Amino acid sequence: QKEVEQNSGPLSVPEGAIASLNCTYSDRGSQSFFWYRQYSGKSPELIMSIYSNGDKEDGRFTAQLNKASQYVSLLIRDSQPSDSATYLCAVIINAGNNRKLIWGLGTSLAVNP
Amino acid sequence: NAGVTQTPKFQVLKTGQSMTLQCAQDMNHNSMYWYRQDPGMGLRLIYYSASEGTTDKGEVPNGYNVSRLNKREFSLRLESAAPSQTSVYFCASSGRTDTNYGYTFGSGTRLTVV
Repeated sequence: QKEVEQNSGPLSVPEGAIASLNCTYSDRGSQSFFWYRQYSGKSPELIMSIYSNGDKEDGRFTAQLNKASQYVSLLIRDSQPSDSATYLCAVIINAGNNRKLIWGLGTSLAVNP
Repeated sequence: NAGVTQTPKFQVLKTGQSMTLQCAQDMNHNSMYWYRQDPGMGLRLIYYSASEGTTDKGEVPNGYNVSRLNKREFSLRLESAAPSQTSVYFCASSGRTDTNYGYTFGSGTRLTVV
């Protein structure tokens, strides 16, 4: 089992719809979770971080964390064509005495006008 | 604008040539990282520096060396480039050594080794 898993997509949604992106992780002790957006040919950009169970909202973005089920999701409301990008999930796992940031491979999102 | 600056943006090398990728951040961050990103492989950590004066290997350090020149600058050197090192390289920084905070990435270097 991969440490952080994401559906590669592409996920295609119409403009104005809600896009739902999911990420599962294997380390039950993980404490910190991040969503990054990466446009084609560009660098990743942090859009959300979440540390506690429940929802965290920032504008059109909502991150949801469920530690019991070991998943974290990102909802994008009122999706816009400019949201078309690859969304990377990143999780801090415990590796012995150290912590490591583990990246998912990303989910490609296409928002169709 | 504050952030992470990487140079060069593009580079073509011949097999066996050497080069240094430069990275500087002006956010007073302690931790800095070098990643490579390849299709289907995602982001893979090459080296990192948790604080000025320290460097450590990541997942894929072979063929690379790094220098944390000061708190701002963290360079990546390819001593003898190989086609397998063709990739997009990203430098990143973080304000906390425990990585509990997100990373800020540079714009990337697209390297082709022929």
